[in-house]
Parts: sequence; structure tokens; C-alpha cells
Amino acid sequence: GNSVTQMEGPVTLSEEAFLTINCTYTATGYPSLFWYVQYPGEGLQLLLKATKADDKGSNKGFEATYRKETTSFHLEKGSVQVSDSAVYFCALSVNSGNTPLVFGKGTRLSVIA
Amino acid sequence: DADVTQTPRNRITKTGKRIMLECSQTKGHDRMYWYRQDPGLGLRLIYYSFDVKDINKGEISDGYSVSRQAQAKFSLSLESAIPNQTALYFCATSEGRRGVRDTQYFGPGTRLTVL
Repeated sequence: GNSVTQMEGPVTLSEEAFLTINCTYTATGYPSLFWYVQYPGEGLQLLLKATKADDKGSNKGFEATYRKETTSFHLEKGSVQVSDSAVYFCALSVNSGNTPLVFGKGTRLSVIA
Repeated sequence: DADVTQTPRNRITKTGKRIMLECSQTKGHDRMYWYRQDPGLGLRLIYYSFDVKDINKGEISDGYSVSRQAQAKFSLSLESAIPNQTALYFCATSEGRRGVRDTQYFGPGTRLTVL
């Protein structure tokens, strides 16, 4: 079946540290891949996406590259800020979006000043 | 104004009560979803609807029912609430056959506590 595995948290970093949150997937066909972010007290919002192999999604200083050979979509940011503290979800979509997204369990990031 | 709204935002109820959570959207999207979020379990899909006449069960539909009253409205009901339904509930939408179907947009969530 289709599934997403992401690194367990919580992850605690100091401000300006480098961030990596690992995400690997299992999917039939050629999925689209997503990172969603949930700030405290809010719903999820799309952070970035990639729809085919070798695509790089980027937004707000975050990046993730769709690696078909390693079935991965790791989230990175070069210098985190306190305002990046949130829960991050990796997700995939198969069948051209005609089945619902499959989410990972989320990774909580805390950035301390 | 928010594109996807949920009411109520917080609700405390007792075991055995019937509860309805409502979701409205102004995005004009055909597809709507209900998820629950529990600590350590991520998001789990309860029900989804690809149009007004299409309702589908998700991963954890037992104990829940839904109604798609219009394109813009999708309600989730707990017929007889039990404590393990205490969770954060999210509604989401996505475009239909015309458009980018795979990106979902989420409401702010409803925190439900069943005593």
C-alpha cells in the first residue's frame, strides 16, 4: 500500500542551526509529494510540493527534493528561526489526486533562542 | 475571511451525546475531507466526499457519520460520543476534476473533549 514514514520527534534546535527532517515513502505509481506545516493552534498549511522525480520544492527557506531512487523527500532549512517551531507533516498523493493524501505521523520541531 | 471555517472551535460534551461538527468553505472546491489528529498518530482520515452525491469512508469511519449538504458544506456527526473520540478534528478541501486535485487546504480545527 501507500505509506509515509518520517523521523520521530521532537526535534529541538538552536536558532540558526541546520534542519533536516527525513521522510521516505512507499507508493504505487508516481506520487506527488508534499510537506505541510502546522503552527501552534492552527490547521495544516501547505509548505511545499514536488510532482515528479528530481523536482525541488521550496518555500520560506525550506527545501525538499523528490528522490525516486531512494524514495525520499527530506525537508531541509539552512538556518532555522524560533518562528519555525511547528509540527511538520510529509504526505503523498497517488492516482493524480483521485485518492486522498496519505500523511506521515508528523515531526514536532522546537527552535530555541 | 478564512476560506475553510469550522464550527465550533472547541466543544466539551458527555459520553453518549450526539455531536455535530460543521465545515464550510468559500474556495469553490468540489472535494472535502474530515480528519482527526491524535498525539503521536498524525492525521487519520474519517470520511471524504468528492462531490455532493459522493461519500466515502476513510481509515477510521466507525462511530462517525457525515452529511454533504451542499458543495460548500460538509458536516461530521458523532452519533453517541465516547471518550476515545476526544481529539482535534480537521476539515480540508481540494479542487475537483478541473484543477489541482492533490493539494488540500485545511480549516483551523475543532478541539472536541468527550467526558
